[in-house]
Amino acid sequence: AQSVTQPDIHITVSEGASLELRCNYSYGATPYLFWYVQSPGQGLQLLLKYFSGDTLVQGIKGFEAEFKRSQSSFNLRKPSVHWSDAAEYFCAVGSSGSARQLTFGSGTQLTVLP
Amino acid sequence: GAVVSQHPSRVICKSGTSVKIECRSLDFQATTMFWYRQFPKQSLMLMATSNEGSKATYEQGVEKDKFLINHASLTLSTLTVTSAHPEDSSFYICSARGQADTQYFGPGTRLTVL
Repeated sequence: AQSVTQPDIHITVSEGASLELRCNYSYGATPYLFWYVQSPGQGLQLLLKYFSGDTLVQGIKGFEAEFKRSQSSFNLRKPSVHWSDAAEYFCAVGSSGSARQLTFGSGTQLTVLP
Repeated sequence: GAVVSQHPSRVICKSGTSVKIECRSLDFQATTMFWYRQFPKQSLMLMATSNEGSKATYEQGVEKDKFLINHASLTLSTLTVTSAHPEDSSFYICSARGQADTQYFGPGTRLTVL
């Protein structure tokens, strides 16, 4: 069965600092990987996804993620965090087959200090 | 593009009543929609996969007679919580699978059962 681990429950960074959110997955085949962001009162917004090809993926809002098969990781990065980035971040892995069900990690809450 | 709406955004009901939640893909057709439940400060747990024109597939532990899912068209899926009880209070989120096997999420429905 597939699984996703986000080791950091809560991360605090200062505005303008760099950010890295960790994600490790367990999946038997080539994974479909996603990062979503959830702001209070809003739905999940897709930041970026990896299906195949270039292992460094660019997303919206200046985010990027790197797929490392040898480490089973898909960490999310941003070089300079903005106060508006404060939110809950979820990493997810998609199953194979027509359903493409998602399994989510437990999430990382990001706090941005002024 | 790829907008998913949910209605209502909040609902409060008395114990024993039924509540219907609608999920619509506004600008694309979705043969597959998903229903999730999210507890406070926790991740999303997949409840069921809904396919247009066929019966939903429920995850283990989810009571199909309590959580009725109907996916009657390519843009609408409904979740009915029957005979709701306080323990059914939660945040319910739907998603619709769009292009490139990507799920797009609705803003969620906060259900409170008194």
